[in-house]
Amino acid sequence: DTGVSQNPRHKITKRGQNVTFRCDPISEHNRLYWYRQTLGQGPEFLTYFQNEAQLEKSRLLSDRFSAERPKGSFSTLEIQRTEQGDSAMYLCASSIRTSGQETQYFGPGTRLLVL
Amino acid sequence: DQQVKQNSPSLSVQEGRISILNCDYTNSMFDYFLWYKKYPAEGPTFLISISSIKDKNEDGRFTVFLNKSAKHLSLHIVPSQPGDSAVYFCAARPPNFGNEKLTFGTGTRLTIIP
Repeated sequence: DTGVSQNPRHKITKRGQNVTFRCDPISEHNRLYWYRQTLGQGPEFLTYFQNEAQLEKSRLLSDRFSAERPKGSFSTLEIQRTEQGDSAMYLCASSIRTSGQETQYFGPGTRLLVL
Repeated sequence: DQQVKQNSPSLSVQEGRISILNCDYTNSMFDYFLWYKKYPAEGPTFLISISSIKDKNEDGRFTVFLNKSAKHLSLHIVPSQPGDSAVYFCAARPPNFGNEKLTFGTGTRLTIIP
């Protein structure tokens, strides 16, 4: 299967703990995006990588959030000192531009519940 | 501010009939639009897209229409099938100047009635 994969699929943690999620994009895709989706809303952009460079971060991404993409392959999203408001589905998408257009392909997401 | 709006949270359609899902946007800079389908506990799956230079794009049972002057697009599914029951998200993107982050609507839950 060459789709986007995310691990873990589910994470339950206590408030104040740190959590880390992993995303493995489609292998030839050089762009990687993180989104967050809360109940009743559409996905909201968090951050974007082109290869290993993190090129943009949303203001939704507080200083407790950090993302990396070493070597331009997989990416990790870490949340430090989790808060109940961090409970959401965290989605990763990857893409590559072809013929002037780009389609983002999403992974299954990691559902985070902060107690 | 919600730049992409899906004003119908839910829609029920009889199997075999046409499903029409609507989406409005406010940012005139958007020039590429996509529809995604999402099942529970899964990530969004890409369905169909349209560039702002077109007014229609068709792929099998799915057709997307774009009315730039009205800042409105719609997704038509015909004939509707039970497997089409899902949440549908409209998404929009500004011109290709680097970060092509998507702005999503809040989704419409489509239920196909057998």
